[in-house]
Amino acid sequence: KAGVTQTPRYLIKTRGQQVTLSCSPISGHRSVSWYQQTPGQGLQFLFEYFSETQRNKGNFPGRFSGRQFSNSRSEMNVSTLELGDSALYLCASSWGQGKGYTFGSGTRLTVV
Amino acid sequence: GDSVTQMEGPVTLSEEAFLTINCTYTATGYPSLFWYVQYPGEGLQLLLKATKADDKGSNKGFEATYRKETTSFHLEKGSVQVSDSAVYFCALSATNDYKLSFGAGTTVTVRA
Repeated sequence: KAGVTQTPRYLIKTRGQQVTLSCSPISGHRSVSWYQQTPGQGLQFLFEYFSETQRNKGNFPGRFSGRQFSNSRSEMNVSTLELGDSALYLCASSWGQGKGYTFGSGTRLTVV
Repeated sequence: GDSVTQMEGPVTLSEEAFLTINCTYTATGYPSLFWYVQYPGEGLQLLLKATKADDKGSNKGFEATYRKETTSFHLEKGSVQVSDSAVYFCALSATNDYKLSFGAGTTVTVRA
């Protein structure tokens, strides 16, 4: 059974640019969440989608957005990149609340 | 709001030593509790979980018991190996919530 796939694995962007990250969940998982991991702030929740609807959103500025497609694949977008957006972005999928999330290997974003 | 507090590291142990990582939580209702592990350069892997009071989660020699009375979910392993060197995260998912709240993580290094 394939795991959660995130692409690309690494990205280098310039301040002010925008970026789109992709996540393919485990087959059958309809819930997809995104997290930002930094040394200073740790793991922070960005948003969660279920059946193409955003059910929960973390405390991030509007520059961070996401969406989910009918096949459960998800993308997140960050516009007007700032240096502080440099982080490991992790996607996770689940088939039910309280069942635990399976994480992908992440996308390492570096903003220069 | 919901929060998780786990013991600060780093923790350095010799092979075959006993490992304990303390984790306490604050949440309303009856959250689900998790331990995740992260190896260098990788995403998070679910190590074990418990969904109700007095449940014991176990996997790969690791154990943790959901203690409602002390709001704790301490991770233990009786005999660690070098391969257990990683960062360990305690997390919770509150009732009817669709996100994970993580502790700060504890870095464990096991020396041969």
